[in-house]
Amino acid sequence: GAGVSQSPSNKVTEKGKDVELRCDPISGHTALYWYRQSLGQGLEFLIYFQGNSAPDKSGLPSDRFSAERTGGSVSTLTIQRTQQEDSAVYLCASSTRYLAETQYFGPGTRLLVL
Amino acid sequence: KQEVTQIPAALSVPEGENLVLNCSFTDSAIYNLQWFRQDPGKGLTSLLLIQSSQREQTSGRLNASLDKSSGRSTLYIAASQPGDSATYLCAVLPFVGGGADGLTFGKGTHLIIQP
Repeated sequence: GAGVSQSPSNKVTEKGKDVELRCDPISGHTALYWYRQSLGQGLEFLIYFQGNSAPDKSGLPSDRFSAERTGGSVSTLTIQRTQQEDSAVYLCASSTRYLAETQYFGPGTRLLVL
Repeated sequence: KQEVTQIPAALSVPEGENLVLNCSFTDSAIYNLQWFRQDPGKGLTSLLLIQSSQREQTSGRLNASLDKSSGRSTLYIAASQPGDSATYLCAVLPFVGGGADGLTFGKGTHLIIQP
């Protein structure tokens, strides 16, 4: 079956612009995670969704970041007024409803802020 | 705050050798530990998941062990092949938050298998 998909695969934007990143989880997976991988920082957790429940936003790096999940499936991560330090690979993962199960990762979106 | 450390940061060995990658974590209150591989420009591929109540998991030439009390895990790769060349990442799912949190990752071991 299809894995986790993300779009776009690459995004180049100018400082100050808003960007939207999309994640489509594996069908039937109710848990969805966003991570960021940047040089020197490694992989860091951003936010998690379980079904339609409101997420804990405390892992987001600043209030310019927001995420939503519509209908318990597709999720979008929005970065407003992008800064150069936002340049990174944004990875999405999903897992079954049981949170302690294997997380399956998408290929990521490479964001470059000029 | 949970911290995950991987040693070595990089490793280069001839094909056919058995090798061990190390991972340590500071807080033993975890749900599970996962090993991933990441190929250049690609996402992460899950290799093995060890629940906190388990001691080891095996898949093919890979064997991962977990000693939760000492905060350590090892990934053993038998009879290494050039196709094993990748970055290997260790990650733990913390218990705090009821598992409703993300994985905490190490910075990875960059492995090169020389043909």
